[in-house]
Amino acid sequence: GENVEQHPSTLSVQEGDSAVIKCTYSDSASNYFPWYKQELGKRPQLIIDIRSNVGEKKDQRIAVTLNKTAKHFSLHITETQPEDSAVYFCAATKWGNEKLTFGTGTRLTIIP
Amino acid sequence: GAVVSQHPSRVICKSGTSVKIECRSLDFQATTMFWYRQFPKQSLMLMATSNEGSKATYEQGVEKDKFLINHASLTLSTLTVTSAHPEDSSFYICSARSRGDNYGYTFGSGTRLTVV
Repeated sequence: GENVEQHPSTLSVQEGDSAVIKCTYSDSASNYFPWYKQELGKRPQLIIDIRSNVGEKKDQRIAVTLNKTAKHFSLHITETQPEDSAVYFCAATKWGNEKLTFGTGTRLTIIP
Repeated sequence: GAVVSQHPSRVICKSGTSVKIECRSLDFQATTMFWYRQFPKQSLMLMATSNEGSKATYEQGVEKDKFLINHASLTLSTLTVTSAHPEDSSFYICSARSRGDNYGYTFGSGTRLTVV
């Protein structure tokens, strides 16, 4: 089955700086890669996703890049703000009713 | 957008008792429901996948007789933790998908289970 590794486990960034979280996956058949933000005790919220037919996707301060050859994808948050502090999870699956395999999570802390 | 309502949000039960958690899709048909368990400061671990009208498929290491999943309708799935023990204390969360949709994976709000 799919295995997703995520780094770093914790990340502290000065407000206004950029944050990068990286994930690798094992199953070359995976073609859908969402990123979730989870605040304590709440449900994961989809913040951005990418499919394997594109290499990069951007939504305002958030971007995701995908390298299919190397089987890794990254989340980039620019101009970080205190409200970006949360736990972020990457995930991978083969689109079409398949289960998501989550990474181990990154606790992001934005330092004011 | 798609919404999944999950209840209860918090429950405390005594060891040996059973607890039922419900997830309802409010504005779409949940043909597939995924049930996850999340321990503090850990990732979401898939417990089982259920398709409406079929038996659930459990992940390796998850006891199907302890974690009973019912997905009898397209809008309701339930997880029953039977004979709960303190080690079952965790955050349980469902995620629904609709066949052929564009909604992706819609998560419930989660249930914090504490077994005392």
